[in-house]
Amino acid sequence: KQEVTQIPAALSVPEGENLVLNCSFTDSAIYNLQWFRQDPGKGLTSLLLIQSSQREQTSGRLNASLDKSSGRSTLYIAASQPGDSATYLCAGLYNQGGKLIFGQGTELSVKP
Amino acid sequence: GAVVSQHPSRVICKSGTSVKIECRSLDFQATTMFWYRQFPKQSLMLMATSNEGSKATYEQGVEKDKFLINHASLTLSTLTVTSAHPEDSSFYICSARLVQNIQYFGAGTRLSVL
Repeated sequence: KQEVTQIPAALSVPEGENLVLNCSFTDSAIYNLQWFRQDPGKGLTSLLLIQSSQREQTSGRLNASLDKSSGRSTLYIAASQPGDSATYLCAGLYNQGGKLIFGQGTELSVKP
Repeated sequence: GAVVSQHPSRVICKSGTSVKIECRSLDFQATTMFWYRQFPKQSLMLMATSNEGSKATYEQGVEKDKFLINHASLTLSTLTVTSAHPEDSSFYICSARLVQNIQYFGAGTRLSVL
């Protein structure tokens, strides 16, 4: 069974701290892995997408890595800001039909 | 970037009524759209895959007669929750697939059934 797991479920850090969010997946036959941000009661904003052939992607203060052999992906946020407070979801694409398997999310709170 | 519009953003209805949610791709054509459901503090669960001009493919455990999906054009898919009950209260999100298996998500619809 294809499963995506995120730990921890919630994380609180002081402003300015660097942090890492973790995502693990059970099936390494993944096409790509995507990180999303979700604000309370809102839809999803795509942050980074890593193709299966790639090791990492960067956008501004965000860096996502992908290690298929170990079934893990991380999202690194540098110099965190209160505006980064949100729930972060990772999702793996397992077939070309487009079915995404989502993790449970990590709720991040950055304290001023 | 590609924009997906979802309407309404929030709906409150009485038990037994039907509710229609629209998902539109505004600046691109999407042959495939997806419908997800999200319960509080939980992740998104795929309900069905909507293909333009053909029947939707439902995930195991999702009642197709309860959640009617129509993908009549390349820019519009609708989800109708028929005879809604309080247990159907949830956050429903659609997405549309563009190229390279990249999905763009709508803002979601909060359904509350009284």
